[in-house]
Amino acid sequence: RKEVEQDPGPFNVPEGATVAFNCTYSNSASQSFFWYRQDCRKEPKLLMSVYSSGNEDGRFTAQLNRASQYISLLIRDSKLSDSATYLCAVNTPYSGAGSYQLTFGKGTKLSVIP
Amino acid sequence: ETGVTQTPRHLVMGMTNKKSLKCEQHLGHNAMYWYKQSAKKPLELMFVYNFKEQTENNSVPSRFSPECPNSSHLFLHLHTLQPEDSALYLCASSQTSDEQYFGPGTRLTVT
Repeated sequence: RKEVEQDPGPFNVPEGATVAFNCTYSNSASQSFFWYRQDCRKEPKLLMSVYSSGNEDGRFTAQLNRASQYISLLIRDSKLSDSATYLCAVNTPYSGAGSYQLTFGKGTKLSVIP
Repeated sequence: ETGVTQTPRHLVMGMTNKKSLKCEQHLGHNAMYWYKQSAKKPLELMFVYNFKEQTENNSVPSRFSPECPNSSHLFLHLHTLQPEDSALYLCASSQTSDEQYFGPGTRLTVT
């Protein structure tokens, strides 16, 4: 099982729709979780952190399910400008006691259609 | 945004050239990273520096040579590259193992 997995999509949704992405991770010792957004030919930009209690920022809601080892991102009332690739990132332990490293998923492509 | 800057933004080089990519972070972070992102491929972590010390080298060919003179600056020295090395090279920084912030990247083309 890969460390961090995402459905690559593409997800093609109409404007105004609600869309959800999941991201699974394999290491139960992972501690921090994030969603990034990457536009075509640009760098990834931090969208939001994912907390155990969930996190909401406007139309975006991120949740963590530790028992099933996945995080989710929900986008409500999709806008054309939401079209991008969404990357999840998971803080996983690696060699060295107490050392963690951010591992990125391959990303899920979203296209919001007029 | 001026948090993490990278120069040059675009670079075309021949296979026999030597060039360097520069990254600078103005966020007071103590960790810096080099990533490679090829067309339609995921991010590939190349190097990690914590407090100027290299802590990770993900089996990167020796034609890529990183240098971290201080916690704010990171270089990637390139020599005798191959066409398949053409990609977007991204620098990122973080405070310990927290969320990472990326620079705009250098789009490299090897001819």
